[in-house]
Amino acid sequence: DSGVTQTPKHLITATGQRVTLRCSPRSGDLSVYWYQQSLDQGLQFLIQYYNGEERAKGNILERFSAQQFPDLHSELNLSSLELGDSALYFCASSVVGSRHNEQFFGPGTRLTVL
Amino acid sequence: GENVEQHPSTLSVQEGDSAVIKCTYSDSASNYFPWYKQELGKGPQLIIDIRSNVGEKKDQRIAVTLNKTAKHFSLHITETQPEDSAVYFCAASITGNQFYFGTGTSLTVIP
Repeated sequence: DSGVTQTPKHLITATGQRVTLRCSPRSGDLSVYWYQQSLDQGLQFLIQYYNGEERAKGNILERFSAQQFPDLHSELNLSSLELGDSALYFCASSVVGSRHNEQFFGPGTRLTVL
Repeated sequence: GENVEQHPSTLSVQEGDSAVIKCTYSDSASNYFPWYKQELGKGPQLIIDIRSNVGEKKDQRIAVTLNKTAKHFSLHITETQPEDSAVYFCAASITGNQFYFGTGTSLTVIP
């Protein structure tokens, strides 16, 4: 158990809908990262937050947004969902955000868009 | 941006044999190279990492080598055991924030 929690574990929704994925980092970790894992593209970095502020941005679509709250949990919002958004979404956390610190991954949320 | 390629995509070895997974990267500015193991139904877990000022690092049965000139790095697992069966990912990072992952290698250790 990495100490990172993600909810829900599974999510099934329809195209055009909006969902919110939630992540609680390990106690003491200030940095949260979001990744998308699909069968054909592996693990893709989406976005990073450090202590409430956006720190780095990857291949995140404009339909996706994220935020980190004062209690350091983070939410990833996916809107206008398409079939191709079906994937595993992982959250990871680390102590700091600008050095090479180990990222601890949560168990993931499996999103299925029908 | 950085591009990481990983080979092979699948690998089967007999228990006790060695397994080698290779990755190449494109951006010479990358300076941190972690390896992750992902078991079924779980998130990736860091197993070993190497920084660009080091050529080799070992941790029990696992070792990683880095060739900065050729821009490639490899994971070596010796004396493989059935519990080593998993998907392994390499990654490269410049800033420590954004990681670029390889596409993964599914390792099967046959008892």
